[in-house]
Amino acid sequence: SYDLTQPPSVSVSPGQTASITCSGDRLGDKYVSWYHQKAGQSPLLVIFQDAKRPSGIPERFSASNSGNTATLTISGTQATDEAVYYCQAWDSNAAFVFGTGTRVTVL
Amino acid sequence: QVQLQESGPGLVKSSQTLSLTCTVSGASLSSSTAYWSWIRQPAGKELEWIGHIFADGSTKYNPSLKSRVTISIDAPKNLFSLRLTSVTAADTALYYCARDRISYFDVWGPGTLVSVSS
Repeated sequence: SYDLTQPPSVSVSPGQTASITCSGDRLGDKYVSWYHQKAGQSPLLVIFQDAKRPSGIPERFSASNSGNTATLTISGTQATDEAVYYCQAWDSNAAFVFGTGTRVTVL
Repeated sequence: QVQLQESGPGLVKSSQTLSLTCTVSGASLSSSTAYWSWIRQPAGKELEWIGHIFADGSTKYNPSLKSRVTISIDAPKNLFSLRLTSVTAADTALYYCARDRISYFDVWGPGTLVSVSS
């Protein structure tokens, strides 16, 4: 099976930059998407196809993917960005795979 | 605006079959170029993709669940369905349906909780 590993938690001060990593074998060869999930809500797409933002997602969300690691960056983090963030990739054998999730806390 | 809504029993007995339906509004399944997926999330755990279906009925399933899963589509009624057989406590989860753009999911339903009882 194909696994995606994320750090369990990331803490950031308001207005600072948060970076969340997602690691997987040759992840850079696959498209990666990112979702945030607030308590009691469905996941919300924030990045697709490595670095594209859906309509309505603030510019402070950006991402990259290369080698074995994809990274989601939240610039100027706000309290409303507190959520669990999941990366997701498409593997030709295992199909869709989600990461282990990272809880972002804005202190 | 595309919206999805899951429905089905919230409680299923162990060894029986879980059946859920996802009703789609704001888009026509028969003319859509998207796939339609089922995804689940056990309490406090990460998301797990179950499988997807295209308007022509073609499907792909997660290899770990493939032997127990069937996804079907009813285009005239604009809905698609999930059947998961021989359920156990490990199948207790929040089940989501989502629009699937091949490499990502851009619209999700609110989810429906399914518990498996012994």
